[in-house]
Amino acid sequence: LAKTTQPISMDSYEGQEVNITCSHNNIATNDYITWYQQFPSQGPRFIIQGYKTKVTNEVASLFIPADRKSSTLSLPRVSLSDTAVYYCLVGDPRTPLVFGKGTRLSVIA
Amino acid sequence: DAGITQSPRHKVTETGTPVTLRCHQTENHRYMYWYRQDPGHGLRLIHYSYGVKDTDKGEVSDGYSVSRSKTEDFLLTLESATSSQTSVYFCAISENKGVSGSIQYFGAGTRLSVL
Repeated sequence: LAKTTQPISMDSYEGQEVNITCSHNNIATNDYITWYQQFPSQGPRFIIQGYKTKVTNEVASLFIPADRKSSTLSLPRVSLSDTAVYYCLVGDPRTPLVFGKGTRLSVIA
Repeated sequence: DAGITQSPRHKVTETGTPVTLRCHQTENHRYMYWYRQDPGHGLRLIHYSYGVKDTDKGEVSDGYSVSRSKTEDFLLTLESATSSQTSVYFCAISENKGVSGSIQYFGAGTRLSVL
């Protein structure tokens, strides 16, 4: 399983764009990159998934460079309700994924 | 919560007693997972199932067993609860579509306290 490294915590002001980068140097050919969001006392919730280049949905964008050794989750114009822990997972979707400790994002008014 | 029900939501038990947590899904997804979450550790996989009666161990399986007799139900049993098993337990499901990508959907969690 590809190991991921992401910042332990980040702070941002409301209305700013937040970029969380995840390193995964030993990503394998079959591995997808998936991001989850978790609020206190709730289970993680899927945000976005990608394999290469850029993926965008109504919540976030995911940027993946050509070598796929890192990825960046971009949250546009964050609000207080985006305060959560964000997990980057890398793995073959045919096998169980391993959650790390995630990045704790604090949005400040 | 994508048709996932965990029961009970909260439980307090004593050391040495057996405890069974239930995960029920209405999505007919093939894969089901049990995680535990503790401060400073993130989520850790206990066991998972890739079909009825097909289960496998995760990274922290010691002291836990699972059973899946029906597609919709995945049971986690603590054979003899210990204080170190005090945690929040999450069940997840996925379709696991192979190389086309897979998404896990999580239940609301069960908060277990072992005294």
